[in-house]
Amino acid sequence: ETGVTQSPTHLIKTRGQQVTLRCSSQSGHNTVSWYQQALGQGPQFIFQYYREEENGRGNFPPRFSGLQFPNYSSELNVNALELDDSALYLCASSQKGLAFGEQFFGPGTRLTVL
Amino acid sequence: QKEVEQNSGPLSVPEGAIASLNCTYSDRGSQSFFWYRQYSGKSPELIMFIYSNGDKEDGRFTAQLNKASQYVSLLIRDSQPSDSATYLCAPMTGANSKLTFGKGITLSVRP
Repeated sequence: ETGVTQSPTHLIKTRGQQVTLRCSSQSGHNTVSWYQQALGQGPQFIFQYYREEENGRGNFPPRFSGLQFPNYSSELNVNALELDDSALYLCASSQKGLAFGEQFFGPGTRLTVL
Repeated sequence: QKEVEQNSGPLSVPEGAIASLNCTYSDRGSQSFFWYRQYSGKSPELIMFIYSNGDKEDGRFTAQLNKASQYVSLLIRDSQPSDSATYLCAPMTGANSKLTFGKGITLSVRP
């Protein structure tokens, strides 16, 4: 069984730039959720993708967008980067329809915005 | 009121002791409750979840849930130095099964 993978591991960008983060879900899972974790805080829900469509969104501006592909992998795109976007970005995969929908996290992408 | 509150830390216990980690939540629609462990610089790792009132045991870990009091806790028996980490409580709500995380509590187990 393949676990959740994310790329890249680390990324440094400057304000105003755009970034794309990638996530491959665990085998057998059809749902990907994205979270942002600032230093010293718990993860905050950005959005979830299921069947290639956004299935719920947290309190994040539209410059945060995503995609899900037929193989269930997903991308998170952030436009017009701001300093406060510096954080650990986590994706979590799960199987919708599974009784309790446990979510399993990937290793994360550490984004630094200068 | 914060959606998920975890009692202030850090928490320090001696090796072999019981560590008690508490969490309260505000959304009565929360259906299941997850505990994650996060080592410094790593991503959260699922420890266990609970969905019915009462206790659920898994090895050295016991989760307790009281929906009337909107309270969930995690007990770690026979604490080991390797248990030193931040523990995150996360109720799950909504059709999209969103996890809402607390800030976490840092546990330190002294050898």
